[in-house]
Amino acid sequence: LAKTTQPISMDSYEGQEVNITCSHNNIATNDYITWYQQFPSQGPRFIIQGYKTKVTNEVASLFIPADRKSSTLSLPRVSLSDTAVYYCLVGDKTGTASKLTFGTGTRLQVTL
Amino acid sequence: GAVVSQHPSWVICKSGTSVKIECRSLDFQATTMFWYRQFPKQSLMLMATSNEGSKATYEQGVEKDKFLINHASLTLSTLTVTSAHPEDSSFYICSARETGTVISTEAFFGQGTRLTVV
Repeated sequence: LAKTTQPISMDSYEGQEVNITCSHNNIATNDYITWYQQFPSQGPRFIIQGYKTKVTNEVASLFIPADRKSSTLSLPRVSLSDTAVYYCLVGDKTGTASKLTFGTGTRLQVTL
Repeated sequence: GAVVSQHPSWVICKSGTSVKIECRSLDFQATTMFWYRQFPKQSLMLMATSNEGSKATYEQGVEKDKFLINHASLTLSTLTVTSAHPEDSSFYICSARETGTVISTEAFFGQGTRLTVV
């Protein structure tokens, strides 16, 4: 399983862009990178997923360099409601039985 | 997106009793579901992989006789915490992927069950 490393916590002001970087030096060829968001006492919620280069959806962008040993989740113009824990996950194999292993996550605190 | 529903959302039980938590995929089929446990301020820890029609696969250090998992249908998996003790108090979360999808498809998580053993 590819291990991931993220900053434990980050602080931001409302309206700023937040970039959370995740290291995954041992990522395998077939692995995808997925980011989840978790609010207190709730299950994780899918944010974005990518394999290489850049992926963008309505809530975030994901930047993956050519070597794929890291990835950066970019949240544009965060609001107070973006305060949550963000997890970077790397898949270990294909198929629906593939386990998702959570690392420590990054606790983002957004203030006024 | 697809919905995974857990029941109950929270439960309080007496020490020594057993508690069953249900995990349902509401609008898709899932041959595999996963059970996680999360303690306050900590990350999710995978407990076991629930396989429809067969025995669950437990992670190292997780007691299979303590945490009974049954995956009797393609839309339902249950986790039973047997002879619960206060140290079993935690937030339990299940997740599932649609059958037949590859890893690039997101996993859907239930809302979690807060178990408190008194």
